[in-house]
Amino acid sequence: QKEVEQDPGPLSVPEGAIVSLNCTYSNSAFQYFMWYRQYSRKGPELLMYTYSSGNKEDGRFTAQVDKSSKYISLFIRDSQPSDSATYLCAMRSGGSYIPTFGRGTSLIVHP
Amino acid sequence: DSGVTQTPKHLITATGQRVTLRCSPRSGDLSVYWYQQSLDQGLQFLIQYYNGEERAKGNILERFSAQQFPDLHSELNLSSLELGDSALYFCATGTGETDTQYFGPGTRLTVL
Repeated sequence: QKEVEQDPGPLSVPEGAIVSLNCTYSNSAFQYFMWYRQYSRKGPELLMYTYSSGNKEDGRFTAQVDKSSKYISLFIRDSQPSDSATYLCAMRSGGSYIPTFGRGTSLIVHP
Repeated sequence: DSGVTQTPKHLITATGQRVTLRCSPRSGDLSVYWYQQSLDQGLQFLIQYYNGEERAKGNILERFSAQQFPDLHSELNLSSLELGDSALYFCATGTGETDTQYFGPGTRLTVL
């Protein structure tokens, strides 16, 4: 079993839909959780960063962490075609700044 | 544009060969991280350098090595290449021990 599991998709939604992207993990030592967005032929860029459990909102994006279930989510409201990309979750423990990445979910938002 | 540059963008080579990938960090960034991204394995951490010294090692093969030079640019050397080494190689840089890593555009390596 991989430490971080993420459904590769693709997830195809119409413009304006609410998107839910998820990851599960097995390592209870993970405390810091990140979401990266990766456009085709580009490097990943950090989108959201949260510590421990709870919610964090930034514009149309909300990151949610449920440590008891070892489950994290990224919600995108009012999705746009420009949100079409691969979204990677990443997480790390407190002892290292090296994250463990999920394999990424491909999101397609069609007009 | 993250400000991190990587060269070359594409590299096509044969099995058994050796290649060098280069990464130039953003101004002021002392940390360089190298990652390999393949379809079946996802993004895998290889190695980190901080201000010229090796700081952390991940799933890096013995055939691979890296170094960070005094001007802070870094090179990843891949030798005795195998078909399975075909992947995207990213470097990411940061100011120090931080979760904010800025990724370069990557080098696509194809081993034939």
